[in-house]
Amino acid sequence: DAKTTQPPSMDCAEGRAANLPCNHSTISGNEYVYWYRQIHSQGPQYIIHGLKNNETNEMASLIITEDRKSSTLILPHATLRDTAVYYCIVRVASGYSSASKIIFGSGTRLSIRP
Amino acid sequence: DAGVIQSPRHEVTEMGQEVTLRCKPISGHDYLFWYRQTMMRGLELLIYFNNNVPIDDSGMPEDRFSAKMPNASFSTLKIQPSEPRDSAVYFCASSPRLSRGEGNEQYFGPGTRLTVT
Repeated sequence: DAKTTQPPSMDCAEGRAANLPCNHSTISGNEYVYWYRQIHSQGPQYIIHGLKNNETNEMASLIITEDRKSSTLILPHATLRDTAVYYCIVRVASGYSSASKIIFGSGTRLSIRP
Repeated sequence: DAGVIQSPRHEVTEMGQEVTLRCKPISGHDYLFWYRQTMMRGLELLIYFNNNVPIDDSGMPEDRFSAKMPNASFSTLKIQPSEPRDSAVYFCASSPRLSRGEGNEQYFGPGTRLTVT
């Protein structure tokens, strides 16, 4: 799976949009971009994933550049409960093989300030 | 659905003792994963199963660790004998089978915090 690079920490004011960047310059054509987050003392939580089109769900939006070498996770109206470590992961999404596993990096620690 | 269930939530044991961690995945999920998280090493995949069969155990640290999945609704991770360096939070996760060629998200349990003294 391709390696990702994320800033170690970021902060954002409550109510503002939080934009978390991720570089994945070695991504392959069949690799998806996934985002998970981990709130303190809890298990990681799936947020969103995409291949090349921008995606949006009830939690966040995912913007992937046209060359797919980077992406941005957007939390449109950050709240204190969004304080967590955010992991950007790229992985092959294929059948029943070892490609199904997720390798977590160090992530971005997002702090939301009141 | 109750989500992924893990037990116990906390375990304190002495070095040399056997430790068994338990996991009940979400009903209908075909994949089950065991992870370990420490401050030093972050979140590491230990082993995962597909339809109760171990697929990749390359992350299991050594022979003291073993994992089983006797049926679709239960898995165990056993450490025997335990050592202080095994102290960590152990997470179990499950995911549904793939569909439409897309990836499958993983749903994590609350974790078991293991302390070996």
